[in-house]
Order: sequence, then C-alpha cells, then structure tokens
Amino acid sequence: DTAVSQTPKYLVTQMGNDKSIKCEQNLGHDTMYWYKQDSKKFLKIMFSYNNKELIINETVPNRFSPKSPDKAHLNLHINSLELGDSAVYFCASSQDSAPPEAFFGQGTRLTVV
Amino acid sequence: AQSVSQHNHHVILSEAASLELGCNYSYGGTVNLFWYVQYPGQHLQLLLKYFSGDPLVKGIKGFEAEFIKSKFSFNLRKPSVQWSDTAEYFCAVNVEYSGAGSYQLTFGKGTKLSVIP
Repeated sequence: DTAVSQTPKYLVTQMGNDKSIKCEQNLGHDTMYWYKQDSKKFLKIMFSYNNKELIINETVPNRFSPKSPDKAHLNLHINSLELGDSAVYFCASSQDSAPPEAFFGQGTRLTVV
Repeated sequence: AQSVSQHNHHVILSEAASLELGCNYSYGGTVNLFWYVQYPGQHLQLLLKYFSGDPLVKGIKGFEAEFIKSKFSFNLRKPSVQWSDTAEYFCAVNVEYSGAGSYQLTFGKGTKLSVIP
C-alpha cells in the first residue's frame, strides 16, 4: 500500500485553466503538507494542515487553495494557471508527536502550456 | 526563520570515491535534521535523520551523517559511492512552527551527485 499517494502523476494543461491535485495518506498522520519543487529542484513549503486546519500558508498566490475534507486528504486546487506554475508538487504527511518525520508522495509534474 | 545551506551544487565522483556533502543550518533552538535523496524522476526518500543522542547517525545504503552542534552542520558521508547513488540530495531541518504544534520542514537547495562508472 502506498503511504502517501497523489493523483495525477502528470498534468499538462493550458494557461488559464483550473486544475486540482489530490493527495491521500493512509498513515494516520495528523499533519499534511504541499511542497513545490521548481525547475532548479528547490523545494519550498506551500501549505501545512493539521487536523484539517490550515497551519502554514507561505507566500503563495491566492490562486492556490488547499482543501482538507478530512485529515487523510489534502487537495490542492489551482485557479487560472500560469506558465510559472509549472513545477513538481509534492504532498507529504507527518505525525504530530515530536519529533516528526515527513513522508512524501510521488509528486505531480504540472506543465502549463 | 530557519534556513539550510548546501554548499555544493553539483558533485561529480568516480565509483569507489568517498563522498562528503556539506549542510549548514541556521536556527537557534532545538532542531531535527534530515537527509533526503531523490533519484531521477522519483519522489523524496529519507536517507537518515537526527533527533537526539549520538551525533553520528547511520542511514540506509551505507550513508552516515554527523551532527556538529557548534558548527550548525550536518554533513552527509559515504566511504565509497556507487553509480546507483547518482541522485539529488537534500538536507532539511524541522522546527516547530510558531508554537502551533505543527512542524515545518525547510530544505536546502539540494546537491546533485553524479557518479561516473
């Protein structure tokens, strides 16, 4: 069983479209994250949810909206996609109990054309 | 805010050479430290971690790292690399976010390791 799974793995879409990436974890973790990895491989946190509540919201355009229907899911919805949104998006989860260790999903490669 | 610096952008080694990748962090409090590896086209996998105790930690695939608190460093080492170690390596520090009980994992910019057969 995959611990942290993301769908889709690849996403190619046109500028201006709206798209969603789904993430599910079956580890029973309390916290889930979205990270963006740019073309230079730099990983930056976007959001963190703890028990369905937004904890971290880094400087991210408000076109990006995370949704957590329950603590096992954290979806990422992106409105009005731009060329600069092209990147690999990683979902991760960790348990609240310190010290936490993050487990990552396979990533979603988003290409905006 | 915490930050992580990885000094080497790209390291090229021949098989059987020894490896050391530098990592320094800036944070005044208690930190948890990690090294992740990303093989080409794949997701991040944990190599090793340091939470407390023995500052020399051993991970998978023969990797080890040493936490030196006075130097704010957590360098990754391997005595003899293999072609299959070709990957991107990320150092990361995990600190509690604003006392909220949630942790923020901050990554370095990564070091690309190319091992030549």
